[in-house]
Amino acid sequence: ELKVEQNPLFLSMQEGKNYTIYCNYSTTSDRLYWYRQDPGKSLESLFVLLSNGAVKQEGRLMASLDTKARLSTLHITAAVHDLSATYFCAVDRGSNYKLTFGKGTLLTVNP
Amino acid sequence: EPEVTQTPSHQVTQMGQEVILRCVPISNHLYFYWYRQILGQKVEFLVSFYNNEISEKSEIFDDQFSVERPDGSNFTLKIRSTKLEDSAMYFCASTSPEKLFFGSGTQLSVL
Repeated sequence: ELKVEQNPLFLSMQEGKNYTIYCNYSTTSDRLYWYRQDPGKSLESLFVLLSNGAVKQEGRLMASLDTKARLSTLHITAAVHDLSATYFCAVDRGSNYKLTFGKGTLLTVNP
Repeated sequence: EPEVTQTPSHQVTQMGQEVILRCVPISNHLYFYWYRQILGQKVEFLVSFYNNEISEKSEIFDDQFSVERPDGSNFTLKIRSTKLEDSAMYFCASTSPEKLFFGSGTQLSVL
């Protein structure tokens, strides 16, 4: 059974600081996704990581994938309040969008 | 940008009643999905659907659940006899070759 572990589950940051969210998964997988969810809203796709060493950046967020370590990271640079949300990683074993999600990281960025 | 639309946004029902959750996937997408998220928990895969039949389903998707594409645009999830534990946010999704698009969700409350 594929397991996806995220940590931390709760993260409170000051604006301007940097931090990293970690996502470990238990078996080899084809794709890894990062999603953002605002309270009561849907899941917004942030990144799709397809291969070992993949790195993608969008604004203050950067995601990377190490398939050998079965680890993905989501790095936040110089956090701003607008980044406050829950961030999920999700793994797709068979490239069929049957995603296994982590529990999510609730990020709060304080002024 | 095209989007997946879901109706209703909120549904309240009595235990034992049947509910139908409706979704309109993005028009040129071929694969459709239902996921659910119990309050405060991770997102879970329910079922995938392609070419008018179920491709894959999870253990959650038991005989109380069914999916249908009754016409060329709608995709529905039916729960025949709702239980308290069915209370959750239900997300419909559809795919392009590279990305999974989620709808805004239907919050189902079973009383």
